[in-house]
Amino acid sequence: DSGVTQTPKHLITATGQRVTLRCSPRSGDLSVYWYQQSLDQGLQFLIQYYNGEERAKGNILERFSAQQFPDLHSELNLSSLELGDSALYFCASSVDYITDEQYFGPGTRLTVT
Amino acid sequence: KNQVEQSPQSLIILEGKNCTLQCNYTVSPFSNLRWYKQDTGRGPVSLTIMTFSENTKSNGRYTATLDADTKQSSLHITASQLSDSASYICVVSAEGGSYIPTFGRGTSLIVHP
Repeated sequence: DSGVTQTPKHLITATGQRVTLRCSPRSGDLSVYWYQQSLDQGLQFLIQYYNGEERAKGNILERFSAQQFPDLHSELNLSSLELGDSALYFCASSVDYITDEQYFGPGTRLTVT
Repeated sequence: KNQVEQSPQSLIILEGKNCTLQCNYTVSPFSNLRWYKQDTGRGPVSLTIMTFSENTKSNGRYTATLDADTKQSSLHITASQLSDSASYICVVSAEGGSYIPTFGRGTSLIVHP
């Protein structure tokens, strides 16, 4: 158990819908990262927050957005969902950023039908 | 373009044998290189993190090496166990003040009894 929690574990929704994925980092970790893992693309970095502020942006679509709240939990919002958005979404946390070890959560499996 | 290539794509070995996985990268400027172990359907677990000045790092039966001149890294697994069956992912981050990772597609390792 990494200490990072993600909810829900599984999510099934229809195209065009909007969903919110939630992540609680390890106690004391200020940095949160979001990743997408699909069969054809592998792991991809989406976005990073540090102590409530956006720190780095990766391959995140405009239909996706995220935020980190004062209690340091984070949410990833996915809207206008497409079949291709079906994937495992991981959250990770670390004390700081760049070279710190990241601890991954168990992931949320999103299926868009 | 920043790229990370891993080889082999898949590997089958017998329990107790050693193996070596390769990672070649073109990421520049280099910041750090991470090796992760990922069990199917679960979040990646960090094995090692190496910066430019480090050329070897061990974590139990896992030893990673880094040659920053040739831009190559390897992960050596000693006395393999059935629980080593997993995907091993190499991630190289570029320097630039923020987190800029490039992921390899991973090596799938199967350890047979």
